[in-house]
Amino acid sequence: DAGVIQSPRHEVTEMGQEVTLRCKPISGHDYLFWYRQTMMRGLELLIYFNNNVPIDDSGMPEDRFSAKMPNASFSTLKIQPSEPRDSAVYFCASSLGTSSLANEKLFFGSGTQLSVL
Amino acid sequence: KQEVTQIPAALSVPEGENLVLNCSFTDSAIYNLQWFRQDPGKGLTSLLLIQSSQREQTSGRLNASLDKSSGRSTLYIAASQPGDSATYLCAVSGVQTGANNLFFGTGTRLTVIP
Repeated sequence: DAGVIQSPRHEVTEMGQEVTLRCKPISGHDYLFWYRQTMMRGLELLIYFNNNVPIDDSGMPEDRFSAKMPNASFSTLKIQPSEPRDSAVYFCASSLGTSSLANEKLFFGSGTQLSVL
Repeated sequence: KQEVTQIPAALSVPEGENLVLNCSFTDSAIYNLQWFRQDPGKGLTSLLLIQSSQREQTSGRLNASLDKSSGRSTLYIAASQPGDSATYLCAVSGVQTGANNLFFGTGTRLTVIP
């Protein structure tokens, strides 16, 4: 398997523009996570899905952020309108989803480096 | 809210040295603790996962221990190599916040000098 695939790798946009980040999880994984990494706050969970259904979006910072998972192999994270403080690395991760909650390894994509000017 | 702390923030050692990275967490009611490695410009790679009922896990030159009651974990790297240079992060999933909500430390940036 190619692992978790994210696109684009880098995104530079101007304030006010819409930004869409994309993720393809590992085939067969039931859980998909979106994280944001900044120097100030480290890694933070934004939202996660189980079997394409959003389970916990309490980490989504504002209504400007939205995420969808239309099928098991694709998810998007959208920011509209974007602001300079949204600049960060956004990671997508997936996990298998076994019956044992204590044994879930997380597999990360390479991330999207977002710069909002 | 669970808080995860990693000390030191950065560490530089000569090649061949054994080293220990530290992680502490405030809420001992956890499902598991994971150690990850992050290379510059890359995502995170899971190194070791210790379930709450376990004391340690080993993989090659890596050994991670867990003392849940004191809220501490260590990652031991034996015979360090330049290829071990990376940022190491620990993360815990808590009973209160759910198995799928990982709380990450800010990491220890390791440099192994040839």
